[in-house]
Amino acid sequence: DQQVKQNSPSLSVQEGRISILNCDYTNSMFDYFLWYKKYPAEGPTFLISISSIKDKNEDGRFTVFLNKSAKHLSLHIVPSQPGDSAVYFCAARDGYGNKLVFGAGTILRVKS
Amino acid sequence: DADVTQTPRNRITKTGKRIMLECSQTKGHDRMYWYRQDPGLGLRLIYYSFDVKDINKGEISDGYSVSRQAQAKFSLSLESAIPNQTALYFCATSDFPGTMKQFFGPGTRLTVL
Repeated sequence: DQQVKQNSPSLSVQEGRISILNCDYTNSMFDYFLWYKKYPAEGPTFLISISSIKDKNEDGRFTVFLNKSAKHLSLHIVPSQPGDSAVYFCAARDGYGNKLVFGAGTILRVKS
Repeated sequence: DADVTQTPRNRITKTGKRIMLECSQTKGHDRMYWYRQDPGLGLRLIYYSFDVKDINKGEISDGYSVSRQAQAKFSLSLESAIPNQTALYFCATSDFPGTMKQFFGPGTRLTVL
């Protein structure tokens, strides 16, 4: 039973436009959420995070929104660039702070 | 130099063979993790360790074992490899208490024939 779901396996966006990646979770005990980015032949790298007590966190072109009532978070990338083409993983921290639960990932392709 | 290194980067082995994947880190973190990545399944936790004397099973530990030889070293073993263990394996570290932000190695691509 997947506790963190990324229902879109892939997303294609034109350069300069907005990319929106979505993530849903089922466990209300998750208290911290992270997004990771992964290029081929490399390990995932941390991108941005948000605490469950906030509803928005922004870092440059990247913004994460959290809707706790809907158990939904999204990552917005504005403007999208070809270098953003990668796999994006959503992750949630369990309430004990012991481990992360990852979604299946979304492949983002930014076309120039 | 990379903070988290994994060896080997690629390995092809046969069913029934014992294989060890190694992970070393220079970040000084106490917590280390082993994940496998499969298409459509994302990253799944195999084992994790909070210090040299603390080893914990993750969600898919069957068929795997680990050894935490030192704060900086965490090895994953497949005692008798089987084809469905073909996957991309990642080691990661994190600080504590921190935010659980994890730092990943470059991965090991393992193929079991």
